Amino acid sequence: TQLLEQSPQFLSIQEGENLTVYCNSSSVFSSLQWYRQEPGEGPVLLVTVVTGGEVKKLKRLTFQFGDARKDSSLHITAAQPGDTGLYLCAGAEGGADGLTFGKGTHLIIQP
Amino acid sequence: DAGVIQSPRHEVTEMGQEVTLRCKPISGHDYLFWYRQTMMRGLELLIYFNNNVPIDDSGMPEDRFSAKMPNASFSTLKIQPSEPRDSAVYFCASSLGAGLAQTQYFGPGTRLLVL
Repeated sequence: TQLLEQSPQFLSIQEGENLTVYCNSSSVFSSLQWYRQEPGEGPVLLVTVVTGGEVKKLKRLTFQFGDARKDSSLHITAAQPGDTGLYLCAGAEGGADGLTFGKGTHLIIQP
Repeated sequence: DAGVIQSPRHEVTEMGQEVTLRCKPISGHDYLFWYRQTMMRGLELLIYFNNNVPIDDSGMPEDRFSAKMPNASFSTLKIQPSEPRDSAVYFCASSLGAGLAQTQYFGPGTRLLVL
């Protein structure tokens, strides 16, 4: 089973600051996804990256897939309290139907 | 669309009791996944179905856990007998297709507490 390690596990910053969270694996993934989960709800897909080196932007969020497709990062610019949540990365192995999830980064943006 | 529906939203039971969790996937989706989430272990895939057929149940912790999907619009996850270590949030998710670039839509989860 391929493992995804996310760091940091917890992050609390002030509104307006920038931050980056990471998702790393020793194995190659065919694609990688980022989800955000708010308290009391299920995870919601933010983005899917498929190509090594791919960069995708979603408003103030920038996602990057590593060249070797073993790691990914999520950068948030000018964080807002609405960004608070659990950010999960998930990888799909080639030919497999299911996803492997990391344990997530708990992000708190303080007003 | 109402999204993935799970019931109950909360369940408190005593050790040894049978627990049944229910899921209604999004209409038209052909994959259904059951996950368990805890602080210690994160989100773990328990079992998934394709067109109502169980494909991979290697994540089911032990024989106390069983899952069925009698039709395309309903699935159950049963724990019998339940134990305190089964306490977790159980999520059901569905998707149209799988593999690369799949989008899984999660339900709100069932919070299970076994005393």
